[in-house]
Amino acid sequence: QSALTQPPSASGSPGQSVTISCTGTSSDVGGYNYVSWYQHHPGKAPKLMIYEVSKRPSGVPDRFSGSKSGNTASLTVSGLQAEDEADYYCSSHAGSNHYVFGTGTKVTVL
Amino acid sequence: QVQLVESGGGLVKPGGSLRLSCAASGFTFSDYYMSWIRLAPGKGLEWISYIITSGSAIYYADSVKGRFTISRDNAKNALYLQLNSLRAEDTAVYFCAKHSSSWSFDYWGQGTLVTVSS
Repeated sequence: QSALTQPPSASGSPGQSVTISCTGTSSDVGGYNYVSWYQHHPGKAPKLMIYEVSKRPSGVPDRFSGSKSGNTASLTVSGLQAEDEADYYCSSHAGSNHYVFGTGTKVTVL
Repeated sequence: QVQLVESGGGLVKPGGSLRLSCAASGFTFSDYYMSWIRLAPGKGLEWISYIITSGSAIYYADSVKGRFTISRDNAKNALYLQLNSLRAEDTAVYFCAKHSSSWSFDYWGQGTLVTVSS
């Protein structure tokens, strides 16, 4: 099972928006509506930001949104804030009771 | 509140073994599937294994199948990962994570570092 493809980096100024893509195949991202996104500040516990493509857990700001088209999912962070600077990973159900994660994207707030 | 605390990491030689533990609190541990996930230096997250509530079904990534063993003790609210035949490429921070009901991981620990080096 190959990792989902994400851009290594993305950046934006405070208040701007940034969108991160996550490309897989029809066996994972394209085949299931079970894409999730995680925020990871190094040294801390990763945090679930989006599940089932576009749903936000309680407590996650509505500045974070998710979508999917075909084999590519996307996470958009609107109104960037300094605390949004982190690594972001997508994940998908990959069939046969397996999961696959993305390669990760480092978001920098300029 | 939900807490997951990993322990047991350390420095081990290639071919060696290690047992990781994850202490869970703040939720009914026996009601949830649990996973181990790792983050190697310079790489992305990698799902390794998950175990269902009763422990009667277990799944592994191909990269660790036959070398790693996941288990749980619901009476102790604990998750374990036995790592055998360790390789340099197993060097990573190992996280335990609680499954949500929707093929995602809603709570994670802070991880424990495993370094495989001679």
